[in-house]
Amino acid sequence: QSALTQPASVSGSPGQSITISCTGTSSDVGGYNYVSWYQQHPGKAPKLIIYEVSNRPSGVSNRFSGSKSGNTASLTISGLQAEDEADYYCSSHTSSSTWVFGGGTQLTVL
Amino acid sequence: QLQLQESGSGLVKPSQTLSLTCAVSGGSISSNGYSWNWIRQPPGKALEWIAYIYHSGSTHYNPSLKSRVTISMDRSENHFSLKLSSVTAADTAVYYCAREVSGGGQFDFWGQGTLVTVSS
Repeated sequence: QSALTQPASVSGSPGQSITISCTGTSSDVGGYNYVSWYQQHPGKAPKLIIYEVSNRPSGVSNRFSGSKSGNTASLTISGLQAEDEADYYCSSHTSSSTWVFGGGTQLTVL
Repeated sequence: QLQLQESGSGLVKPSQTLSLTCAVSGGSISSNGYSWNWIRQPPGKALEWIAYIYHSGSTHYNPSLKSRVTISMDRSENHFSLKLSSVTAADTAVYYCAREVSGGGQFDFWGQGTLVTVSS
């Protein structure tokens, strides 16, 4: 299974909004509403921030939102804050009943 | 609060077998509705899903690793384990254990991760 495709890096200024894309195929992202997003700060374990495309776990800021169109899922962070600077990963269920992650996106808050 | 803790050898020689255990506290690995996963991250690289085992004991593996990986569980000890055989330097990574809410793909609880280095 091939990793999902994410941009290597994105950046934005405090208060702005950014969007990170996650592109797969009809056998993963496009075929299921089981896309999740994770935030990872250096040296830490990933943290779940979005599941099932657009749902937020309890305690996650509503500045984080998710969506999907066709084979591409997206994570939008609005009102960027310095603490949002981290790596972000998407994941998806696959037709083989396995899971696949994206290559990760480094977010820089300018 | 559920907690997961990885343990095992931090240094493995090439061609040998990597063995890790994930101890689960604050919940039972026998509970319906969850799978128990291993995920790894080579230094400076992306996450890679390795395998999962359901509460029932059924297993699924990453096709690229399937021939070398075994995941198992010990309900009496409330832990699950990973064995990766014939390791090379490419298997050097931080290995995480994580719980997934069955079918939804939510890896909602993670261990802190343990670095395994493959070197002679």
